[in-house]
Amino acid sequence: DGGITQSPKYLFRKEGQNVTLSCEQNLNHDAMYWYRQDPGQGLRLIYYSQIVNDFQKGDIAEGYSVSREKKESFPLTVTSAQKNPTAFYLCASSKRGSETQYFGPGTRLLVL
Amino acid sequence: GENVEQHPSTLSVQEGDSAVIKCTYSDSASNYFPWYKQELGKRPQLIIDIRSNVGEKKDQRIAVTLNKTAKHFSLHITETQPEDSAVYFCAAQGSQGNLIFGKGTKLSVKP
Repeated sequence: DGGITQSPKYLFRKEGQNVTLSCEQNLNHDAMYWYRQDPGQGLRLIYYSQIVNDFQKGDIAEGYSVSREKKESFPLTVTSAQKNPTAFYLCASSKRGSETQYFGPGTRLLVL
Repeated sequence: GENVEQHPSTLSVQEGDSAVIKCTYSDSASNYFPWYKQELGKRPQLIIDIRSNVGEKKDQRIAVTLNKTAKHFSLHITETQPEDSAVYFCAAQGSQGNLIFGKGTKLSVKP
């Protein structure tokens, strides 16, 4: 999972601002995922993509958007419509035909 | 909807004792069940996984058992050490190929 990077490590958002979290992988994995983690909660799926130029909503997609223009990259935008964005955001990837997901180091998003 | 229940939410054991964490899942079509360990502020790390064609899998001090009929699976850690202290998450594969996670168990191993 060292081949998955997320940036920045910490991100501060002002009210009404859109912010974008980066996720890159050099593992040649086809599928990529975004999860949100709140204290005392498990990981909840925001969006996932099984292939370039295609993605699906997860359980909590409202207020978020994604793109998958390249196999290596799956950025997540937290829009101003997401009223409670403070959380730890984790990106993961898996290779075609495998259920095993490997996680990036995460981005902690805080609201100013 | 698809759901994974995990118990207990916190678990405290003495060093050298065993620890058991249990999960139940709702989707009988789930065939893949991983366990992740997450240290404070770090990424979840896969520690063991099991597929539905086996009932038990072991890797040194860690073992996972699966009962497909009852739709539950468990993580067993023997001879616990202080470095085993972390939050452990179980997960089950959902109908879309994604993972559905339990809410986690905070394990504390006291020296």
